[in-house]
Amino acid sequence: DTGVSQDPRHKITKRGQNVTFRCDPISEHNRLYWYRQTLGQGPEFLTYFQNEAQLEKSRLLSDRFSAERPKGSFSTLEIQRTEQGDSAMYLCASASLVGMNTEAFFGQGTRLTVV
Amino acid sequence: AQTVTQSQPEMSVQEAETVTLSCTYDTSENNYYLFWYKQPPSRQMILVIRQEAYKQQNATENRFSVNFQKAAKSFSLKISDSQLGDTAMYFCACNQGAQKLVFGQGTRLTINP
Repeated sequence: DTGVSQDPRHKITKRGQNVTFRCDPISEHNRLYWYRQTLGQGPEFLTYFQNEAQLEKSRLLSDRFSAERPKGSFSTLEIQRTEQGDSAMYLCASASLVGMNTEAFFGQGTRLTVV
Repeated sequence: AQTVTQSQPEMSVQEAETVTLSCTYDTSENNYYLFWYKQPPSRQMILVIRQEAYKQQNATENRFSVNFQKAAKSFSLKISDSQLGDTAMYFCACNQGAQKLVFGQGTRLTINP
């Protein structure tokens, strides 16, 4: 499978615990995005990387959230001290920037439930 | 700030009918791309069609076509001969300066047999 892969697919955690999600992009893609999606809503931008550089972070990304993309390959998104409001689907997408065309390919997402 | 608005939360049509989903956007960029993505229930988001803003010709992909009105900042999706497999959430999105994609709130489309 050469698509975007996310792990785990589902995560249930207790409030206050830390969680980490992984995203493996399409291998030749230099752009990697993280989005958060709540039920019935559109994806909200969290952050993105160009290779290993984190170029933009949304104001939605509080200090409890951190993302990394070491060596410009896979990426991790960590949420510390989880809150019930963090419950959502976390989507990863990758793209190969060609001119202005940033067609993004999405993974299946990690569904986080904070209890 | 870039915004994308989809004013139809839900739509429902009979199989084989034609349906049009609306989208308006606002961007300060002169060149940008617009996209329609489809998200079937419990499945990943996939690209349906894209439009380059500097091209006047409307994009077409089989049964899917767009009506791109740049001056009005409108980008609607037309699905012809709708099929049961078209049932999904549809999201309009715009990229801003080749950076991030900004999505609308989505339209839930149901195709009835």
